[in-house]
Amino acid sequence: GIQVEQSPPDLILQEGANSTLRCNFSDSVNNLQWFHQNPWGQLINLFYIPSGTKQNGRLSATTVATERYSLLYISSSQTTDSGVYFCAVQPGGYQKVTFGIGTKLQVIP
Amino acid sequence: SQTIHQWPATLVQPVGSPLSLECTVEGTSNPNLYWYRQAAGRGLQLLFYSVGIGQISSEVPQNLSASRPQDRQFILSSKKLLLSDSGFYLCAWSLVGGYTFGSGTRLTVV
Repeated sequence: GIQVEQSPPDLILQEGANSTLRCNFSDSVNNLQWFHQNPWGQLINLFYIPSGTKQNGRLSATTVATERYSLLYISSSQTTDSGVYFCAVQPGGYQKVTFGIGTKLQVIP
Repeated sequence: SQTIHQWPATLVQPVGSPLSLECTVEGTSNPNLYWYRQAAGRGLQLLFYSVGIGQISSEVPQNLSASRPQDRQFILSSKKLLLSDSGFYLCAWSLVGGYTFGSGTRLTVV
């Protein structure tokens, strides 16, 4: 099956710093999503981004489908950004989604 | 707008007891429904998915089962819980445009 690799696995940021999270996948995909899991466990959909670039406030994401990677940018990080960020991909023609193991982000004041 | 409800939020059950977790979706018809488990650590493991009423696909053979008695209802069950069933269980639905997750149930088997 498709492999999804996320990097870095862990990240500690000073509040106000910027960061880039990466998701590599081993095969072509129809769908790609970025999720944020907050400390209470809730998975929040950040971006549905099978290709191209999207922005939502301090967050933006870019997927280059032909090169099989996606990037999530966090600018001016805040303590509320802490949690685990997951990349999830859906190969063409299938309904099942494969998740990466996540990037655990801690933003310290 | 579409919403997904999952309950209970937390559950502590003794080994050998039965389990029933319920998930319902509002504001959509014929969604694909999913049960995931997140054990200690970060990985999300797909347990079951359903593309319609009565249609269940199992990803991992285990002590759990799932049912979809109605279009927007998805139930995760067990006849006898094991210690290894402890974890965080998440229900999700999808149509076009990706997944939406419920708030999860944290199950502790003691």
